[in-house]
Amino acid sequence: EAGVTQSPTHLIKTRGQQATLRCSPISGHTSVYWYQQALGLGLQFLLWYDEGEERNRGNFPPRFSGRQFPNYSSELNVNALELEDSALYLCASSRYGGPETQYFGPGTRLLVL
Amino acid sequence: GDSVTQMEGPVTLSEEAFLTINCTYTATGYPSLFWYVQYPGEGLQLLLKATKADDKGSNKGFEATYRKETTSFHLEKGSVQVSDSAVYFCALSEGSSNTGKLIFGQGTTLQVKP
Repeated sequence: EAGVTQSPTHLIKTRGQQATLRCSPISGHTSVYWYQQALGLGLQFLLWYDEGEERNRGNFPPRFSGRQFPNYSSELNVNALELEDSALYLCASSRYGGPETQYFGPGTRLLVL
Repeated sequence: GDSVTQMEGPVTLSEEAFLTINCTYTATGYPSLFWYVQYPGEGLQLLLKATKADDKGSNKGFEATYRKETTSFHLEKGSVQVSDSAVYFCALSEGSSNTGKLIFGQGTTLQVKP
């Protein structure tokens, strides 16, 4: 069974640009979660999508947004990039929403110059 | 709010030594508890989990017991290998409300020397 996949693996942008990160969940999983792992800040919850709807978001500004498609894949968009957005962005999926076990992908490393 | 506290790292051990990484939590309700491992340059891999008090999760020689009385979920392994060198994260899923998010500890770096 294929795991969670993310693309691209690395992304380099300049300040003010937009970044789009993509995630495909494990087959049969309907929930997708996004986390940011920034140096010195640990793992922070960003967004949760389930059945195409945004269910919860963490303490991040509105320029962090995303969506979930009918096939349950998801994309994370970060607008007006700032230097401090440089981080590893991890996507996870679970069979259902809520307190289910989350399985993580390899991440997309975003560097903002 | 709910939180997770892990012991400070890095932890440096010789091969075949006994490993303990402490994890304590604060939570309302009845959270599920997890240990994830992150190898250099990779994402998180689920190592083990426990969903209720006194449950023991185990995998690849690692184990942890959900202790409600001490609000702890310490990770142990009897004999570590060089290949166990990684960052270990303790996490909980909020049991009192369906927020979907995992709350992570700060991570503990383990380095195993031959």
